[in-house]
Amino acid sequence: QVQLKESGPGLVQPSQTLSLTCTVSGFSLTSNSVHWVRQPPGKGLEWMGGIWGDGSTDYNSALKSRLSISRDTSKSQVFLKMNSLQTDDTAIYFCTHILRVYWYFDFWGPGTMVTVSS
Amino acid sequence: DIVMTQSPSSLAVSAGETVTINCKSSQSLLYSGNQKNYLAWYQQKPGQSPKLLIYWASTRQSGVPDRFIGSGSGTDFTLTISSVQAEDLAIYYCQQYYDTPPTFGGGTKLELK
Repeated sequence: QVQLKESGPGLVQPSQTLSLTCTVSGFSLTSNSVHWVRQPPGKGLEWMGGIWGDGSTDYNSALKSRLSISRDTSKSQVFLKMNSLQTDDTAIYFCTHILRVYWYFDFWGPGTMVTVSS
Repeated sequence: DIVMTQSPSSLAVSAGETVTINCKSSQSLLYSGNQKNYLAWYQQKPGQSPKLLIYWASTRQSGVPDRFIGSGSGTDFTLTISSVQAEDLAIYYCQQYYDTPPTFGGGTKLELK
């Protein structure tokens, strides 16, 4: 069955770079898409970006200058890197699955909490 | 970006009641090429990740109980939960996928009266 799980540091200092990994199982990254969505504590959901089966990427324009998404298909892993972190980047970060080309998210990882603080 | 507006922001209900959650988009989500509305609904319980309930505005995801009904077209959509159960207490989000970036509504919190 489709599964996703996020991993990464729980605490990042301001101005530093966040690196997260999404490890997937139950599907191939070469024919499915994985996207990142974040949720500040007590707030709503924001799509960040994603990587498609052909390796192409899409990013939220609000984050594009700071964000990079890549993958290692041999390890079934997708990576998120975001630089210049600030306190308002504190959030739960989810990786999600898109089955085809329609952008609704049918499976989600449990999420990983990232706190930006010195 | 397409703005999604949900109402109400919170709703207190008793078990067994029928509830309606509204979602309005800043532009039409109906694509003329296939007559589909690019609108999804999610349920998020405390401490959990969101769960897809409905896509194409009215198609239930596999395993979702039939008491969850999505309806609407164009810019106005509704999620109806008939005979609410305690396990339905959660925050519900609508999301458009008509245009990039995909955007979410602010959420509707369903609480017990």
